[in-house]
Amino acid sequence: EDKVVQSPLSLVVHEGDTVTLNCSYEVTNFRSLLWYKQEKKAPTFLFMLTSSGIEKKSGRLSSILDKKELFSILNITATQTGDSAIYLCAVEADTGFQKLVFGTGTRLLVSP
Amino acid sequence: EPEVTQTPSHQVTQMGQEVILRCVPISNHLYFYWYRQILGQKVEFLVSFYNNEISEKSEIFDDQFSVERPDGSNFTLKIRSTKLEDSAMYFCASSDWGRTEAFFGQGTRLTVV
Repeated sequence: EDKVVQSPLSLVVHEGDTVTLNCSYEVTNFRSLLWYKQEKKAPTFLFMLTSSGIEKKSGRLSSILDKKELFSILNITATQTGDSAIYLCAVEADTGFQKLVFGTGTRLLVSP
Repeated sequence: EPEVTQTPSHQVTQMGQEVILRCVPISNHLYFYWYRQILGQKVEFLVSFYNNEISEKSEIFDDQFSVERPDGSNFTLKIRSTKLEDSAMYFCASSDWGRTEAFFGQGTRLTVV
């Protein structure tokens, strides 16, 4: 069974700190790994990773994938209170049209 | 910016009643999905839909569930006879082809009483 495990489950940091969120996975016929940010309701897309070792970057957020060790990290530098959210990791198997398997998420709280 | 729209935002229904959750995917997208998230739990895949037919479904998506694209813009999820355990947030998503990221709607919170 495909599985995604995220750690930590929750995290409290101060504004300005740097955080690293972890995602490990087991999936048959891996195709891609995606990171989403979930604030109040809808998951909003952050990154899609398909190749090992290539960092994706968007502002203060960056992510990298290791297909050999089966994990990904999401880094957020100089955190702001607006970064407070649940960060979801999901993997897509090469079996169908983007059936995403999600982890439970990491709840990040950035305090002022 | 184009977005996936879902209605209603919140629906309360009695156990055993039928509900229809509605979604308007992003207009040029071809692939549509329903996911659900029971409170405090993971987001779970229900079904994917392409070319007017189901392309994949999970074991959650049993005979009580059905999906339809009744016209060129709407995509619906029907639950025929709701159970208490169907209470969850239901997310619709769409993608422009099956190999890119899915964009999620704001969700419909379904409460079965």
